[in-house]
Amino acid sequence: DGGITQSPKYLFRKEGQNVTLSCEQNLNHDAMYWYRQDPGQGLRLIYYSQIVNDFQKGDIAEGYSVSREKKESFPLTVTSAQKNPTAFYLCASSIEGSTKNIQYFGAGTRLSVL
Amino acid sequence: EDKVVQSPLSLVVHEGDTVTLNCSYEVTNFRSLLWYKQEKKAPTFLFMLTSSGIEKKSGRLSSILDKKELFSILNITATQTGDSAVYLCAVEVEGNKLVFGAGTILRVKS
Repeated sequence: DGGITQSPKYLFRKEGQNVTLSCEQNLNHDAMYWYRQDPGQGLRLIYYSQIVNDFQKGDIAEGYSVSREKKESFPLTVTSAQKNPTAFYLCASSIEGSTKNIQYFGAGTRLSVL
Repeated sequence: EDKVVQSPLSLVVHEGDTVTLNCSYEVTNFRSLLWYKQEKKAPTFLFMLTSSGIEKKSGRLSSILDKKELFSILNITATQTGDSAVYLCAVEVEGNKLVFGAGTILRVKS
């Protein structure tokens, strides 16, 4: 089954702790994205990557970091510098360079602070 | 700054009603407009619109884009309880990035 897998579904972070959210896709998509969703605010772009070993900051990158060592994987680390990490995090992927750039989403990770 | 505004923010209707959801946008490099449905977790793709005046249709759902007036509408006819969801509008801009609106929460009562 082709798709995007995010894990874990729920994650709890203690003060001062870094946590990593996993995103894996087997759609052979070049581009991958991380969004944060807060109530009443829609989805906001954190980081995106259009090719392996390259990524760009989105609108709210502060306090987050990413890597793109493999085409299939785009993990997001929420660092201790992110003071308000409680949110729903969504990963997406799309075919780079296509005229129909539809992004497909994973089921999300809900992060809460202990 | 690129901006996408959806209205209403929330809506409650009865089964069988017809609803119209609105999306207006103000972006510097428009490429396309997309509608997604989000029930619990993953947003699922509904429509992509690139040309003005051409209606996209899928069953009871339809959508149209007006590039002159910078808006799109999503219509749902004969609503069912399974249509209850958050409907997200997004505009694709340069760099394959999507700018999302805040969403419209639709609740269909039986």
